[in-house]
Amino acid sequence: DVKVTQSSRYLVKRTGEKVFLECVQDMDHENMFWYRQDPGLGLRLIYFSYDVKMKEKGDIPEGYSVSREKKERFSLILESASTNQTSMYLCASRKAGSSSYNEQFFGPGTRLTVL
Amino acid sequence: AQTVTQSQPEMSVQEAETVTLSCTYDTSENNYYLFWYKQPPSRQMILVIRQEAYKQQNATENRFSVNFQKAAKSFSLKISDSQLGDTAMYFCAFMSRGATNKLIFGTGTLLAVQP
Repeated sequence: DVKVTQSSRYLVKRTGEKVFLECVQDMDHENMFWYRQDPGLGLRLIYFSYDVKMKEKGDIPEGYSVSREKKERFSLILESASTNQTSMYLCASRKAGSSSYNEQFFGPGTRLTVL
Repeated sequence: AQTVTQSQPEMSVQEAETVTLSCTYDTSENNYYLFWYKQPPSRQMILVIRQEAYKQQNATENRFSVNFQKAAKSFSLKISDSQLGDTAMYFCAFMSRGATNKLIFGTGTLLAVQP
């Protein structure tokens, strides 16, 4: 079974702090994603990574950056946390390949509160 | 730009009954994929069912089936013999065949199965 884990289920930070959210997958997937989930807005893509050291902006990248130094790990960084970044953050991974059907597998989510 | 609309924020169904969740989408493309994802309370999001747009036959997975109406751009999910474990947030999602790294999600429908 694919396993996607996230470093924290709940996180509370203060405005202006630098925040790291970590995601690890154990199935050697090339593609990894960070989403933000807000009530009434569904899931919105922040960043994704095709492979190690490769990244691309999603729909709402402002205020975020990412790092992918190893294939299994994809980090989301909030350089200076703000209250409007209070949200649920979901990580996902997917095997690249010829089949476009390859589904995304999701982690359990990190609920971040910025005070 | 593609959009996905789920017009039912919340629904309720009695155990053992059938319920249908609605989803409409907007695209000018002809080749794409549609998905239903399930997010149980405090648990990871998982794929329920998927449909390729070029296939006329509606996808079925055990108690879950879809009604795919390509001309109407409609993709509803039918859950038969509802069980308590079906209680979850359900997300409809669209993926263009030309952009297989990007899932576009609807805002979700919270389904409560009542005993």
